[in-house]
Amino acid sequence: RKEVEQDPGPFNVPEGATVAFNCTYSNSASQSFFWYRQDCRKEPKLLMSVYSSGNEDGRFTAQLNRASQYISLLIRDSKLSDSATYLCVAPEDAGNMLTFGGGTRLMVKP
Amino acid sequence: EAQVTQNPRYLITVTGKKLTVTCSQNMNHEYMSWYRQDPGLGLRQIYYSMNVEVTDKGDVPEGYKVSRKEKRNFPLILESPSPNQTSLYFCASRIGGRNTEAFFGQGTRLTVV
Repeated sequence: RKEVEQDPGPFNVPEGATVAFNCTYSNSASQSFFWYRQDCRKEPKLLMSVYSSGNEDGRFTAQLNRASQYISLLIRDSKLSDSATYLCVAPEDAGNMLTFGGGTRLMVKP
Repeated sequence: EAQVTQNPRYLITVTGKKLTVTCSQNMNHEYMSWYRQDPGLGLRQIYYSMNVEVTDKGDVPEGYKVSRKEKRNFPLILESPSPNQTSLYFCASRIGGRNTEAFFGQGTRLTVV
């Protein structure tokens, strides 16, 4: 049983499109989450933190739905450079472990 | 520059030959972790450490050892590598606590033949 689940995709979208990913988590005690971006064969890098009030950074918006236990990432006006894998992350227990989802692959086409 | 440094970046070895992958961070972070990443399985935690001389197993610790003698270093040791340990390995560090960002090293691609 995976603690954090994501649709692996790929999501193929044209430039300029709006795309959204969801991530479901099983630990109802988790209070904060993260979205990481990973380019092919590179290390993951933090994209956004997600708290109860949600978070917006430019074209990127992250939301948390505690009742349904999922978080979402919305990307507006997609760029070619947004092509990557997006990893959803939930801290477990007291925050000692981070559990990663399997990632959602996004491909933005010209 | 704040960073996590892993070495080597690429390694091909033979079954049973002991190897060590080094990891060093210069951010004075308490928490350090090792992950392996495999297609279809995502990132899985091998071991983590909350401070010097404090280590604990993650989800997939079998076949691996770690040590944390200094705060900045967290080497991953494969005493007797096997082909199923062929993978992409990442070291990560963070300040600690529930809401803190993890910083990753550039990865080590290990092939065991």
